[in-house]
Formats: sequence, structure tokens, C-alpha cells
Amino acid sequence: DAEITQSPRHKITETGRQVTLACHQTWNHNNMFWYRQDLGHGLRLIHYSYGVQDTNKGEVSDGYSVSRSNTEDLPLTLESAASSQTSVYFCASSGPTTSGRSNEQFFGPGTRLTVL
Amino acid sequence: GENVEQHPSTLSVQEGDSAVIKCTYSDSASNYFPWYKQELGKGPQLIIDIRSNVGEKKDQRIAVTLNKTAKHFSLHITETQPEDSAVYFCAASLTPEAGGTSYGKLTFGQGTILTVHP
Repeated sequence: DAEITQSPRHKITETGRQVTLACHQTWNHNNMFWYRQDLGHGLRLIHYSYGVQDTNKGEVSDGYSVSRSNTEDLPLTLESAASSQTSVYFCASSGPTTSGRSNEQFFGPGTRLTVL
Repeated sequence: GENVEQHPSTLSVQEGDSAVIKCTYSDSASNYFPWYKQELGKGPQLIIDIRSNVGEKKDQRIAVTLNKTAKHFSLHITETQPEDSAVYFCAASLTPEAGGTSYGKLTFGQGTILTVHP
């Protein structure tokens, strides 16, 4: 079955370190998204991509970057981790399916990141 | 940009009662309104969605209503069961058919913690 996976599921790092969170989907979706979830804020969009070599900034993109070299993967990099980036990160993907539903976003299980 | 407000933040009901969660949005161009359920330790999962050309949609015990003029939409869960206990999020976005270069991005409400007591 098609799925979307994230790794690692839990990560503890120190302030100033570079961290990369992986997202891999086997839906063959063109669209991929990264969100962060914080109490009281719901989920907020960090970056998104509509296809290979396409990346766009979301609502809370400062301190984060993404790259899209293939359809399946959209890694999220924290260039220099800060305590304010302690959060739960979710990756999602969407695209046309056999049922024609192109708007539904499928979410991964999340990565809990702690920056000390 | 789009702003979505969701109320209440917590909702406690007895098993068998109905639960209603309400959301308002600010961007009149938004035309797609999904509802997600998130269980502890998991990612959000779509439970129902509605497009702006429809006023109401129902799927078994779950229904969503949309008032485009007032820019608000609501989730209705009837005959609640303990397994309905979770965090529920509303969201708003533009579909690809709406045109433009900024489709598919979801703007979420703050979430509602629903607890159904047996």
C-alpha cells in the first residue's frame, strides 16, 4: 500500500546544530508540504513543493529550507537549530489519485524534535 | 493571507450526544474546507471535506455545513462514541481548479479536543 513515512520519529539536538528531517511518500504525489504543530497554533505551513525542483515558502519558513530532487522525497533542514524550533513536524502529500481526489492531503506520523 | 478561527478549544460530551465544532475563515477566495481528526501520537487524518459549491455534506454520523456568505463552516458528529475522542482540526485552502499559483496550502484552525465520556 502507498504510504508516507517520516524519520526520525524523535530527535534531540543542541542549539546551533544542523538537522535534517526526512519525508518519503510512495503515492507518487506531485505536491508535498511540511507543517509544524505547536499547542494553541494548530498546524502551520513551513515549506511546500508542487514538483521536482520546485520549492516555496510557507507561513513560518524562517530558519528552514527544503529541496526536491525527486518525486518521493522532501527533506526539511534546520540550518542552525534554535529552541523556538522545538515542535512536532508533519509532512504531507497530495495529488491526483485513481478516485480523482486531488485535494486530500495525506499526513505522515510526525517527527518530535527537541532543541536543547 | 488566510486566517481560520476554530471554537471551542475543548468539548466534552456524553456518549450518544451530538458534538458541534465551528470555524470561520477570512479569505473569500478559499473554496475547499477539510476536517481532520488527530489521534494521540499520529498524524491528522481527513474525515470529511466540502467544497464551496456545496452547502452541506454528510457521511454516516459526520456532517459538515458551509455558509459562504458568513464565511463559516461547522462539523457535526451525531451519536458520539468514545472512539470519537481526539483532536479535530478544520482547515481552508484553494483547489487547483481555483487557478492561481498558490493552491493546496492548508490553513488550519487551532484545534478542538473532543472527549466523549462513556
